[in-house]
Amino acid sequence: EPEVTQTPSHQVTQMGQEVILRCVPISNHLYFYWYRQILGQKVEFLVSFYNNEISEKSEIFDDQFSVERPDGSNFTLKIRSTKLEDSAMYFCASSELGDTEAFFGQGTRLTVV
Amino acid sequence: GESVGLHLPTLSVQEGDNSIINCAYSNSASDYFIWYKQESGKGPQFIIDIRSNMDKRQGQRVTVLLNKTVKHLSLQIAATQPGDSAVYFCAENHGSGNTGKLIFGQGTTLQVKP
Repeated sequence: EPEVTQTPSHQVTQMGQEVILRCVPISNHLYFYWYRQILGQKVEFLVSFYNNEISEKSEIFDDQFSVERPDGSNFTLKIRSTKLEDSAMYFCASSELGDTEAFFGQGTRLTVV
Repeated sequence: GESVGLHLPTLSVQEGDNSIINCAYSNSASDYFIWYKQESGKGPQFIIDIRSNMDKRQGQRVTVLLNKTVKHLSLQIAATQPGDSAVYFCAENHGSGNTGKLIFGQGTTLQVKP
């Protein structure tokens, strides 16, 4: 069964450092997303990406965040200068269309120290 | 503001009983809803979805009901099993611009007692 894969599963970084979280969406999907989940809280939307551009982003997704699809299979989230409050689980998801079910990866646990 | 919420943070049921998890949403323009199951340390797992032109949809052991009049969504799990223990989230697709953005509720923890 096709699945969304994310690497690494856990990333520890020092405050102020840049991190890149990587995702391989399901191959025939056209819409890609990043969400985050702070421990014990709900899943929060960060950004959606379609046709090689951001289609929507939340208030959380400020200038420190960027996304990229560097090739035909990877989708990345970069945080330029990490803050302590960026510590969370980051989930990548993909869907065939904008109004079909989104499938989530297993997440990257980001710990900023 | 936008919000999707669940009525109960924790639901405890006996194995074999039926479970009902509720969700209230606020945006009447939303036209697509999804229930996700999240086990500890894992990503949300798709369970079932429903569009606004329907009021009921059934899957294997699960049923989703949508009441647009009161903006209420529920997930019914028949013959609940220990493997059903997890956090359940409803999610709402606003539909505007068709960007695929989902707004998640707070989550209900389902505990299944053997």
